[in-house]
Amino acid sequence: RKEVEQDPGPFNVPEGATVAFNCTYSNSASQSFFWYRQDCRKEPKLLMSVYSSGNEDGRFTAQLNRASQYISLLIRDSKLSDSATYLCAATPPGGYQKVTFGTGTKLQVIP
Amino acid sequence: DAGVIQSPRHEVTEMGQEVTLRCKPISGHNSLFWYRQTMMRGLELLIYFNNNVPIDDSGMPEDRFSAKMPNASFSTLKIQPSEPRDSAVYFCASRDEQGHSNQPQHFGDGTRLSIL
Repeated sequence: RKEVEQDPGPFNVPEGATVAFNCTYSNSASQSFFWYRQDCRKEPKLLMSVYSSGNEDGRFTAQLNRASQYISLLIRDSKLSDSATYLCAATPPGGYQKVTFGTGTKLQVIP
Repeated sequence: DAGVIQSPRHEVTEMGQEVTLRCKPISGHNSLFWYRQTMMRGLELLIYFNNNVPIDDSGMPEDRFSAKMPNASFSTLKIQPSEPRDSAVYFCASRDEQGHSNQPQHFGDGTRLSIL
């Protein structure tokens, strides 16, 4: 089983729709979690960290479910510019924190 | 602030040639990561350094790959001899791990490598 798993998609949604992605992680002791956005032929860029109590940044909401070992990303009122691949990442505990990335979920917002 | 700087942006070379990729992390970041990304395998961690010391190189594919970090502001990833299957985008990322458990990684623009 991969350490971090995502549905590759693609998710094709109309503008204005709400879309949610999940990402599961296998190490129950994983400590920190992040969502990254990657545009075609570009580097991954941090979208938001995921906090235990859940957090929101504008149209984006991230949640952590430790019992079921998954994190989620909710995008409300989708824009064409949200089209990208979304990568989740998890960091294990310990002094040296190797971040493990999922393979990404592709989102295409359609006019 | 300058981000992570990688060079070259693009490299096209023939198989068997030596390839050297370069990375300058964000100033003050004490961890540096080399990744390889392909359509088939996604983003794979090759090696990471903490305070210039290699901590985990289990992702390095084989002996043809080597990485060094001679000081806090510079790292290289070398492939010798290169093979067509090494064609990929290679990313360098850095992170501040000095007592901050929830700090994200920051990526460079990547080097797009094509081995003919």
